[in-house]
Amino acid sequence: SQTIHQWPATLVQPVGSPLSLECTVEGTSNPNLYWYRQAAGRGLQLLFYSVGIGQISSEVPQNLSASRPQDRQFILSSKKLLLSDSGFYLCACNSGNSGANVLTFGAGSRLTVL
Amino acid sequence: AQKVTQAQTEISVVEKEDVTLDCVYETRDTTYYLFWYKQPPSGELVFLIRRNSFDEQNEISGRYSWNFQKSTSSFNFTITASQVVDSAVYFCALSEAEGTDSWGKLQFGAGTQVVVTP
Repeated sequence: SQTIHQWPATLVQPVGSPLSLECTVEGTSNPNLYWYRQAAGRGLQLLFYSVGIGQISSEVPQNLSASRPQDRQFILSSKKLLLSDSGFYLCACNSGNSGANVLTFGAGSRLTVL
Repeated sequence: AQKVTQAQTEISVVEKEDVTLDCVYETRDTTYYLFWYKQPPSGELVFLIRRNSFDEQNEISGRYSWNFQKSTSSFNFTITASQVVDSAVYFCALSEAEGTDSWGKLQFGAGTQVVVTP
């Protein structure tokens, strides 16, 4: 089965500072990878997804970017954080096979921008 | 555009009571999938169930049951004889039918916080 590791688990950053959240996947190859954000009291919003190395699709315009340097590594970045970037960031994957649109989620990274 | 509405923000019950969570969705697609996920205090989302739009058979799994009614665009979830460990946020979600770009692109509702007290 698939396992997702995310780090850091918690992060407090000042406005204007850079960001790097990392996600790695075990137990599958060539997964589809996703970054979701959960704002306080709200549901999850899809930010980025990737169907392969170097392939990134953005779902919403924002201050963040994503990269996939390796098959099972997905990174969320920002050059200058905004207050509105605060939230709970969840990495997810599925295997990309037919019947496998069930997502496995990581434990999340909680970002507070001050 | 797809939309998922969970009108209940929070439900508080005493242990052993039943809890029903409402979910109403909107989509133009004729083929789609519906999901329920559980988010315990630890934060990680746990998959509970998936239903495709052609399968309206309701399901019972242990203390969980689901009621999918396409005619009213609803996909409700019931916890029978609730326990303290059921305390969590429950999310309903919708996705288009399978396709390379659609897999995993879920539209989530805002979630319902369930609080079960002893």
